[in-house]
Amino acid sequence: GQQVMQIPQYQHVQEGEDFTTYCNSSTTLSNIQWYKQRPGGHPVFLIQLVKSGEVKKQKRLTFQFGEAKKNSSLHITATQTTDVGTYFCAAYNFNKFYFGSGTKLNVKP
Amino acid sequence: GAGVSQTPSNKVTEKGKYVELRCDPISGHTALYWYRQSLGQGPEFLIYFQGTGAADDSGLPNDRFFAVRPEGSVSTLKIQRTERGDSAVYLCASSLFPSGELFFGEGSRLTVL
Repeated sequence: GQQVMQIPQYQHVQEGEDFTTYCNSSTTLSNIQWYKQRPGGHPVFLIQLVKSGEVKKQKRLTFQFGEAKKNSSLHITATQTTDVGTYFCAAYNFNKFYFGSGTKLNVKP
Repeated sequence: GAGVSQTPSNKVTEKGKYVELRCDPISGHTALYWYRQSLGQGPEFLIYFQGTGAADDSGLPNDRFFAVRPEGSVSTLKIQRTERGDSAVYLCASSLFPSGELFFGEGSRLTVL
């Protein structure tokens, strides 16, 4: 079945440092989405990427979709304590979303 | 309107019992998904409804799990003869169309003793 690998599993950063999480699929994807889940909360949609090589920005967050549509990344510039949470990629294929295992981000003030 | 609503928020049951978890999606959303999330893991796909029909139930672990969506709106996930390994947060999500943004409910935390 579809496999979505996400690394790293954990990331601890000092406030103001940058953060990146990577998502890799074994197959070409129709689209990929990113979600953020705060501790004790539910996943909340951040962005959707559809086109090969697509780059989208939301303030300090930059999302990329690989040229082969098999990988994606989320980069946060100058992290803040409000960025704490787990970031998941979700790959859409065969009528469903496959979630990665997530990257848990901790930001020290 | 309101977001995705799930009830109960917490359910504690004994091994071997039957449980039902309910999901009320956002009005007008035809796509509805059930996911299961264990601690420290990503959501694991269970079943997808498009309208009233189960378009894909390939994620249901075994025949103890069943889900319905009789009128194309509210969905119920049913688990028979619960086992301790069924303990998890069961998340429901709805979407305006199949590949669109997923709106998640708060989840139903199931604990099987």
